[in-house]
Amino acid sequence: DAGVIQSPRHEVTEMGQEVTLRCKPISGHDYLFWYRQTMMRGLELLIYFNNNVPIDDSGMPEDRFSAKMPNASFSTLKIQPSEPRDSAVYFCASSFDPSETQYFGPGTRLLVL
Amino acid sequence: QKEVEQNSGPLSVPEGAIASLNCTYSDRVSQSFFWYRQYSGKSPELIMSIYSNGDKEDGRFTAQLNKASQYVSLLIRDSQPSDSATYLCAGRGYAGNMLTFGGGTRLMVKP
Repeated sequence: DAGVIQSPRHEVTEMGQEVTLRCKPISGHDYLFWYRQTMMRGLELLIYFNNNVPIDDSGMPEDRFSAKMPNASFSTLKIQPSEPRDSAVYFCASSFDPSETQYFGPGTRLLVL
Repeated sequence: QKEVEQNSGPLSVPEGAIASLNCTYSDRVSQSFFWYRQYSGKSPELIMSIYSNGDKEDGRFTAQLNKASQYVSLLIRDSQPSDSATYLCAGRGYAGNMLTFGGGTRLMVKP
C-alpha cells in the first residue's frame, strides 16, 4: 500500500491567499484526521471524519479553516484567507478503526509570508 | 492540567544505555495509549500501543502503564544513535475517537 498521500509537500504563499491541502487516505480506512504541528503548540487535532462525514471539528481554529471529504479516497483542508500564524506542518492521518493505529502522511509544510 | 504531559527534554543517553521516557495524563484520556516516534522533518510513526496496566514488550521497547498513578512510560534498551528522535505520547479518552498528543520528548543517543 502506498500509505497516506498528501500534497503539496511544501507550500509558500502570501498572506491573504487561499491555500488548499490535499489528502488521500489508505484504502479501506474509514477514519481520516487532520492535524497541525507547530513548535509552540505541538500536534493538534483539527478535525476528523468517519465514512466521509465530519464528526468533530472543535479543533478548527476559526472560520478561515474548512475541511471536506467528498469521497472515501480524498479530503481537502482549505485556509482562506491565510495568515502568517497559519504557518505549520499539516498532517493527514487515517485509520481502519478508532481503536487501531493512526497512520500519518508525510505532511505539508506551509509557510505564509 | 494538560490532558497529556511530557518533559520536552532533550534527554541525552549514551549509546547502549536504557532510555526512559515518561508521560502523565488526565482522567479525560485514560482509555488507551500510544507511543509515536518522529524523526526531524518526518511524520510520526507508531512504536507501541498499550491498553491495560502493566508492561508490554516489543524488541528493545517496553511500554509501561500505571493507571492508578496516571502515567505511561517507554523504555528503550540498548539505545542506538538511530533512536535519536522526538517521542510523542498520545492518549485516547472514552468519548470520541480522538487522540490527544503530548508535546513530545526529544531523545539524543550519543555514540
